[in-house]
Amino acid sequence: DQQVKQNSPSLSVQEGRISILNCDYTNSMFDYFLWYKKYPAEGPTFLISISSIKDKNEDGRFTVFLNKSAKHLSLHIVPSQPGDSAVYFCALYINAGGTSYGKLTFGQGTILTVHP
Amino acid sequence: DTGVSQDPRHKITKRGQNVTFRCDPISEHNRLYWYRQTLGQGPEFLTYFQNEAQLEKSRLLSDRFSAERPKGSFSTLEIQRTEQGDSAMYLCASSPMGFSGNTIYFGEGSWLTVV
Repeated sequence: DQQVKQNSPSLSVQEGRISILNCDYTNSMFDYFLWYKKYPAEGPTFLISISSIKDKNEDGRFTVFLNKSAKHLSLHIVPSQPGDSAVYFCALYINAGGTSYGKLTFGQGTILTVHP
Repeated sequence: DTGVSQDPRHKITKRGQNVTFRCDPISEHNRLYWYRQTLGQGPEFLTYFQNEAQLEKSRLLSDRFSAERPKGSFSTLEIQRTEQGDSAMYLCASSPMGFSGNTIYFGEGSWLTVV
């Protein structure tokens, strides 16, 4: 069973416009939500996170929104740049009262292409 | 370079052969993880070490897979009697004891192709 889904395999955006990447989950136990960026032939690198006590977290051009009732999170990139072209994964974990470790459940990924 | 390093980066093997991958984590990280990523999918958790103790194994880790971290530093992942379905990228990651999402670091992965 797929607990975390990214239903858009790919997204194409013009430079300077907004990119919106989406992620849906089924397990309400997840309480920490991450976005990773991955370039070809490299491992995933951490981008931004949000905990379940918040509904928005912003870091520069990147903003993550969390809708717990809908079990949905999204990543907004504004303005998009060609260097943002990569695969983006959402990854979730259960904090378990602070005893968590790096057992992440990833979505399938969305390939973002930003055209100049 | 003080990141997570993996070796080899690429391995092509014949079905039925054994392969071993090595991971050197960030030196001060107590925790080490193995993930597997197949084409079109996100990474999937395989196993987790805290120092030398293997504390969790996914059901994805069949009997043909074994992972070790003998001295709490580097780790090896061995696949015996490889099958074509084992073709994937094997990712290693490490984190300190005080885990949060931005403290886990992934290596560049080891690509396995079984022919």
